[in-house]
Amino acid sequence: SQTIHQWPATLVQPVGSPLSLECTVEGTSNPNLYWYRQAAGRGLQLLFYSVGIGQISSEVPQNLSASRPQDRQFILSSKKLLLSDSGFYLCAWLQGGGNTIYFGEGSWLTVV
Amino acid sequence: AQSVTQLGSHVSVSEGALVLLRCNYSSSVPPYLFWYVQYPNQGLQLLLKYTSAATLVKGINGFEAEFKKSETSFHLTKPSAHMSDAAEYFCAVQKNDYKLSFGAGTTVTVRA
Repeated sequence: SQTIHQWPATLVQPVGSPLSLECTVEGTSNPNLYWYRQAAGRGLQLLFYSVGIGQISSEVPQNLSASRPQDRQFILSSKKLLLSDSGFYLCAWLQGGGNTIYFGEGSWLTVV
Repeated sequence: AQSVTQLGSHVSVSEGALVLLRCNYSSSVPPYLFWYVQYPNQGLQLLLKYTSAATLVKGINGFEAEFKKSETSFHLTKPSAHMSDAAEYFCAVQKNDYKLSFGAGTTVTVRA
């Protein structure tokens, strides 16, 4: 069966520090991969999605970037965090040819 | 463009009472529609989905939803609320390019 894992689960980082959140999907190949952010009062916002290795689409201009170095690995990064980057980050995947997006456990980021 | 509107950001029900969460969608083509549940500090879990088969869709934990094209609705119901149903619920519509557009969410509290 397919599983998705993201880490770390909780992160407290100072303003201006770098960020790396990782997400790995197991049990499938060539999935679509997504990063969503859930900020207080702002619902779920799609940040990035990827249909293949090295292929990244950004949905909103922001201080973050994403990379997909391997088929089942998706990384969310920042060189310098802002207070506004705080939130709950969710990685998700879609089986190629499927119609259902599944989510990871989420990562809490607090920028202080 | 596809989008969803969830009516009511908070719903409070008594244990054993009917749970009704409202979702209306706008879509230029027959959509794929989803309900997800999010328990505190966790990722999103798929409750059920409509993919143009049966209009009454049964999901996990006793929930079901009915697709009504004439009303552009996909309301979620459960006949008898349980304390464990306390969570946030999201309605979502899948766009043509396999991205999800989410409603703002409805928080359900269950009174003993």
